[in-house]
Amino acid sequence: GAGVSQSPSNKVTEKGKDVELRCDPISGHTALYWYRQSLGQGLEFLIYFQGNSAPDKSGLPSDRFSAERTGGSVSTLTIQRTQQEDSAVYLCASSSEASERTEAFFGQGTRLTVV
Amino acid sequence: GEDVEQSLFLSVREGDSSVINCTYTDSSSTYLYWYKQEPGAGLQLLTYIFSNMDMKQDQRLTVLLNKKDKHLSLRIADTQTGDSAIYFCAEKDRRTYKYIFGTGTRLKVLA
Repeated sequence: GAGVSQSPSNKVTEKGKDVELRCDPISGHTALYWYRQSLGQGLEFLIYFQGNSAPDKSGLPSDRFSAERTGGSVSTLTIQRTQQEDSAVYLCASSSEASERTEAFFGQGTRLTVV
Repeated sequence: GEDVEQSLFLSVREGDSSVINCTYTDSSSTYLYWYKQEPGAGLQLLTYIFSNMDMKQDQRLTVLLNKKDKHLSLRIADTQTGDSAIYFCAEKDRRTYKYIFGTGTRLKVLA
């Protein structure tokens, strides 16, 4: 595709509900990242997928958070039993290969608001 | 562990130079990056520097790298209001190729 696509762009949910955030990376990109950016804050790493390797889940803040990447392409980040502190912009990025040189391309993000 | 640090805010007047600083911990990083995030948008690569270079210049942007001190800086000459954004420095873990981003520096340009 032309770029990294995330959906929805905005999501308002009630506390306690589950949400799914979707990321469509650039076609052929083997690496995919999820980050969280709270209001006025920097990027918080959540999870990293690289090809067929086991994902690096070291940034997931709790067991309410999970992510999967099907067929090495689309990824879904799921947050169960959402809490108000989960409100943030969730950013997805992809890059073309496992190397030090390659650029990461970011989506526009999903703004999640838990009320 | 890996850590990339930046100051949180910088305010400059239009036409002045801006200098955004970054320190990193992984001395084996081969490439170091600067990304820009405009309001309501994702991050975009601004520039990068290869670790065997001390300086890289690209139009109004100058990147300086001090490997001994693990210090990276981004200088924007003749700063414009359109430069107002959050600037992130980043390195890549050489084993996993995972990006490590700094906290971001919010640059505000005053007219």
